[in-house]
Amino acid sequence: NAGVTQTPKFRVLKTGQSMTLLCAQDMNHEYMYWYRQDPGMGLRLIHYSVGEGTTAKGEVPDGYNVSRLKKQNFLLGLESAAPSQTSVYFCASRTGLMNTEAFFGQGTRLTVV
Amino acid sequence: AQSVTQLGSHVSVSEGALVLLRCNYSSSVPPYLFWYVQYPNQGLQLLLKYTSAATLVKGINGFEAEFKKSETSFHLTKPSAHMSDAAEYFCAVTRNQAGTALIFGKGTTLSVSS
Repeated sequence: NAGVTQTPKFRVLKTGQSMTLLCAQDMNHEYMYWYRQDPGMGLRLIHYSVGEGTTAKGEVPDGYNVSRLKKQNFLLGLESAAPSQTSVYFCASRTGLMNTEAFFGQGTRLTVV
Repeated sequence: AQSVTQLGSHVSVSEGALVLLRCNYSSSVPPYLFWYVQYPNQGLQLLLKYTSAATLVKGINGFEAEFKKSETSFHLTKPSAHMSDAAEYFCAVTRNQAGTALIFGKGTTLSVSS
């Protein structure tokens, strides 16, 4: 049972380059989330999806786009990377019920130089 | 809007000592609260959750937390720290809005010395 899988695990980008982070879950969860983790800031919500074909903005959406074409996959895109987007990115999935836990991937460490 | 505040960004204890990590919540409705642990270079793992069934919640690895509505708190405790408990701990609350995302505190790093 893989749970939530993120690819890649590490990436270095130059300013202005683009990339896509992939999140895949095998638990048939409706809800999926993208967070970024920065020192002393905890985890902040970037975008989320409540089902296939739907996406919505979280707390810090600027500079990111997302897509949920298949229920099991949630993609996070950076169109033009900036040094401020250097962070660790986590994907999570959940059933959608408020009293259930979210399951997290292992994270993607992104450095923008 | 829901939020959580973790008091103390770093906590240091000796092996065998009591662990106390503090979390206070702000919510206009009864909250669903969670504690997660993150070991270095890993994802987040659920320690325990409060879902109104019982105010004292027991989790994995000997941790427990008590929900106190009068104090709006959900502090995490462990009677005797072990070296393997060294990690970062996050308190979280379910957002009572579309998407029901978890809203996290800023985290507390626990150091355990021998």
